Amino acid sequence: RKEVEQDPGPFNVPEGATVAFNCTYSNSASQSFFWYRQDCRKEPKLLMSVYSSGNEDGRFTAQLNRASQYISLLIRDSKLSDSATYLCVVNPVSGTYKYIFGTGTRLKVLA
Amino acid sequence: GAGVSQTPSNKVTEKGKYVELRCDPISGHTALYWYRQSLGQGPEFLIYFQGTGAADDSGLPNDRFFAVRPEGSVSTLKIQRTERGDSAMYLCASSLEVAGLYEQYFGPGTRLTVT
Repeated sequence: RKEVEQDPGPFNVPEGATVAFNCTYSNSASQSFFWYRQDCRKEPKLLMSVYSSGNEDGRFTAQLNRASQYISLLIRDSKLSDSATYLCVVNPVSGTYKYIFGTGTRLKVLA
Repeated sequence: GAGVSQTPSNKVTEKGKYVELRCDPISGHTALYWYRQSLGQGPEFLIYFQGTGAADDSGLPNDRFFAVRPEGSVSTLKIQRTERGDSAMYLCASSLEVAGLYEQYFGPGTRLTVT
């Protein structure tokens, strides 16, 4: 089993739709979780850190489910500009700064 | 302020040659990371530094790869005897602690092509 797994997609959704991605992780001791966004041929950019209690930033909501070992990202009212690859990132070893990236989920928002 | 910078942006080299890739992190960021990303994959961890020391180099694929950060700021990733399989985007990131989480900021990458 991979340390971090994501559905590669693509998820094709119409503008205005709500879409959700999950990311599962294998190490139950993992402590830190993030979502990054990567546009084609660009570097990843931090979208959100994921807090234990869940957190929201505008149209984006991130949640952590420790019991089932997954994190989720919900995007409401999708915009064309949300089209990108969304990378899940996990720090599997507490006390270190080693981060493991998923392969990413590709989102296409259609007009 | 200035972000993470990487040079060169593109590097084409012949198989067997030596290359150096440079990363200049955000000022004040103590942690620095190197990743490698192939098409359709997420970034693959190579090594990270805390200050001048390599705190974890478990992702370096073999002994042809080496990285240094002698003064705790700029880092250089060195690849000896390059192979075609080394062709990829090499990304550098530095991190800042925010509320106990170390958020990474990436540079634009160096695209390495080994012919």
